[in-house]
Amino acid sequence: TQLLEQSPQFLSIQEGENLTVYCNSSSVFSSLQWYRQEPGEGPVLLVTVVTGGEVKKLKRLTFQFGDARKDSSLHITAAQPGDTGLYLCAAAGGTSYGKLTFGQGTILTVHP
Amino acid sequence: GAGVSQTPSNKVTEKGKYVELRCDPISGHTALYWYRQSLGQGPEFLIYFQGTGAADDSGLPNDRFFAVRPEGSVSTLKIQRTERGDSAVYLCASSPSGSDYGYTFGSGTRLTVV
Repeated sequence: TQLLEQSPQFLSIQEGENLTVYCNSSSVFSSLQWYRQEPGEGPVLLVTVVTGGEVKKLKRLTFQFGDARKDSSLHITAAQPGDTGLYLCAAAGGTSYGKLTFGQGTILTVHP
Repeated sequence: GAGVSQTPSNKVTEKGKYVELRCDPISGHTALYWYRQSLGQGPEFLIYFQGTGAADDSGLPNDRFFAVRPEGSVSTLKIQRTERGDSAVYLCASSPSGSDYGYTFGSGTRLTVV
């Protein structure tokens, strides 16, 4: 069974600060996805990374996939209150094609 | 439809009752997934359909839980003899095929068993 460790679990910062969220496992993934979820809504896909060492940027968000495809990070530059939400990493691969394993999530609060 | 639709959005039921949760995926998406999410946690896999068949039901917690997708589109998650521990948000997602490139999730059904 793949297990994803996400850290930190909670993050409370001021507007304008930078932050990084980490997602780690002892298993190799075929791909890794990052989602953002707001209260009362389902998770919304931000990005999928597939290649070891891959870096993707989405405005102020930078996503990295580790060279060995066992870890990933999400970096937010100059956080804004609108970035507040639950950030989830999810891994595909292993023996259960079609199934995603999610981390426990990082609850981010950005104060104005 | 334009997105994944789940009904009802909220369901309160008494312990021991039977409930059905419905998911209407994006038109043309062959893969459909059910997940369960507790407050402040990541979703936990329940079952995955490819077309009409359950390709992986390893996440169903016990035989009180059952899901169907008879025509390869709408799916229903059925829970018998509900228990308070079944209270959670039940999320449905769909994708064109497989999961490697991301799902589209519905807004979920919040189930409360009292």
